[in-house]
Amino acid sequence: GEDVEQSLFLSVREGDSSVINCTYTDSSSTYLYWYKQEPGAGLQLLTYIFSNMDMKQDQRLTVLLNKKDKHLSLRIADTQTGDSAIYFCAESSSGSARQLTFGSGTQLTVLP
Amino acid sequence: DTEVTQTPKHLVMGMTNKKSLKCEQHMGHRAMYWYKQKAKKPPELMFVYSYEKLSINESVPSRFSPECPNSSLLNLHLHALQPEDSALYLCASSQVPLAGGNEQFFGPGTRLTVL
Repeated sequence: GEDVEQSLFLSVREGDSSVINCTYTDSSSTYLYWYKQEPGAGLQLLTYIFSNMDMKQDQRLTVLLNKKDKHLSLRIADTQTGDSAIYFCAESSSGSARQLTFGSGTQLTVLP
Repeated sequence: DTEVTQTPKHLVMGMTNKKSLKCEQHMGHRAMYWYKQKAKKPPELMFVYSYEKLSINESVPSRFSPECPNSSLLNLHLHALQPEDSALYLCASSQVPLAGGNEQFFGPGTRLTVL
């Protein structure tokens, strides 16, 4: 079955860039997503990328996709304390488009 | 309106109680979802409704009973729960249930504690 993996923790200094990485196994993945979850809250869709794209930029967020290596990354420029949260990578494939497969989540801690 | 709302925010119930969780969206989405999320873990899919019909049940115990009265509302009826059912229950909706680009919008969740 599909598998999505992320490292569990990342700490950065305020003002630095953060890079959160994700790998997936399903070669039929068509869309890949990044969600943010703050403590006690639901998941907020940050951005997504279609599998025929290499890069997508949205203000401070840059998503890079290496389809050959099945590697996805989320770069947050000028990281702020408000960016501290758990970030989930997720994928959906054309075969099961009603379902999202989530990674384990990366806890991002921004240090002052 | 681009919001999914859930009530209540918090719920404490005993193992013999019957309660319901409610979810509402007014984005015209025709797919709605229930997820269960344990602390520090990703959400686990429970149910999917597509055009108000149950399309996916991920082998969820019968003490959880979903209901979709109309295209904007989704309920989760709870009965005879166990302490291990304590979790954050998330509702989500999406515009297109049968194609790619399954952008799901999540509600804030109901924090459920079963005593």
